[in-house]
Amino acid sequence: AAGVIQSPRHLIKEKRETATLKCYPIPRHDTVYWYQQGPGQDPQFLISFYEKMQSDKGSIPDRFSAQQFSDYHSELNMSSLELGDSALYFCASSSIRIWNEQFFGPGTRLTVL
Amino acid sequence: DAKTTQPTSMDCAEGRAANLPCNHSTISGNEYVYWYRQIHSQGPQYIIHGLKNNETNEMASLIITEDRKSSTLILPHATLRDTAVYYCIVSHSGTYKYIFGTGTRLKVLA
Repeated sequence: AAGVIQSPRHLIKEKRETATLKCYPIPRHDTVYWYQQGPGQDPQFLISFYEKMQSDKGSIPDRFSAQQFSDYHSELNMSSLELGDSALYFCASSSIRIWNEQFFGPGTRLTVL
Repeated sequence: DAKTTQPTSMDCAEGRAANLPCNHSTISGNEYVYWYRQIHSQGPQYIIHGLKNNETNEMASLIITEDRKSSTLILPHATLRDTAVYYCIVSHSGTYKYIFGTGTRLKVLA
């Protein structure tokens, strides 16, 4: 079965640079979520989109922005990167019409030097 | 803040049942209990969820108390591959954000 795809899987950036993380949800899923997991921490909700509209927002820094496109894939844009942004970033997807649970992707490991 | 409380860690002998408790005393009537696990920085993996009835699937069983203030995830025959961090999450649905607590780090011992 198709799963959530995230790219890239690993990303290394310098401080103050920008990064773009991509998420491709499971086919026919209409909702995408972004979570951040710092070293030794638990996943924290950042933001979600339903049918290309922002549906909820968590503790996402103003330096980050995200959107969901017409094909339902989503991108998380991160600017002015800081050392503390180094983390695993997970994308999850779900569909209210098909399944009741969120399915998580493998994550993107971002390292800021 | 997380709506759940779990033990920080547990050990279980291989082949034995692993019983992972979770307290969610502030759960509301329309909130589900979800269980996920995360194996070494991989994406969280869905295990099972329930509203008020006990549930069973090929991976595990979920026992929810009658007052819904706590639940137990049961892995009937734990294997070494079940070593992971197990998260109990309370949410209105799978289409609503998840608030992760600290989870239980389960170590299955040979």
